[in-house]
Amino acid sequence: NAGVMQNPRHLVRRRGQEARLRCSPMKGHSHVYWYRQLPEEGLKFMVYLQKENIIDESGMPKERFSAEFPKEGPSILRIQQVVRGDSAAYFCASSPIGGTGYNEQFFGPGTRLTVL
Amino acid sequence: DAKTTQPNSMESNEEEPVHLPCNHSTISGTDYIHWYRQLPSQGPEYVIHGLTSNVNNRMASLAIAEDRKSSTLILHRATLRDAAVYYCIPRNNTDKLIFGTGTRLQVFP
Repeated sequence: NAGVMQNPRHLVRRRGQEARLRCSPMKGHSHVYWYRQLPEEGLKFMVYLQKENIIDESGMPKERFSAEFPKEGPSILRIQQVVRGDSAAYFCASSPIGGTGYNEQFFGPGTRLTVL
Repeated sequence: DAKTTQPNSMESNEEEPVHLPCNHSTISGTDYIHWYRQLPSQGPEYVIHGLTSNVNNRMASLAIAEDRKSSTLILHRATLRDAAVYYCIPRNNTDKLIFGTGTRLQVFP
């Protein structure tokens, strides 16, 4: 059973461009989470999605950032008009269940975004 | 959300046991205590979780204080591959993991 897959692993964008980060959850997992790790900082929750629905987006910046998890295909984290401060590692995690305090989240290897 | 306090860093020699402490004095009665770790340049990895009783799995053991205000992750025989940042995360029916600063474990040959 393949783990959580993220692509690209490294992404370079110039200021003002758009960044699209993709996450394929583990097989059978319908719950996806995105986290961001700024340089020399801790991991911060961004958004939690369950197939076609955003459940919790309390950690998402209000502007330029959006996420989706369509019925078919990977989850996408989209950053419009990137700025240098968006440079970070973005991690996706998946889980077979949600709404509990005990389910394990399986993380992908991350996408390292560099904004020039 | 319960606040956690962990040492910034710890050191160990290979093959020795390691006890990683976590203080979570504001934990609520229904919070599970999760531990994750992050190896260099990788995504976080689940280690173990528990509620009240001590727990063991193939990776580690989790000792939870009787009052649940602290816990200790135990690596029975540290290896070089165990060098990572270890995060203690209380969690109560919430789907988001709230990572603190964690403990950076160095393992020496």
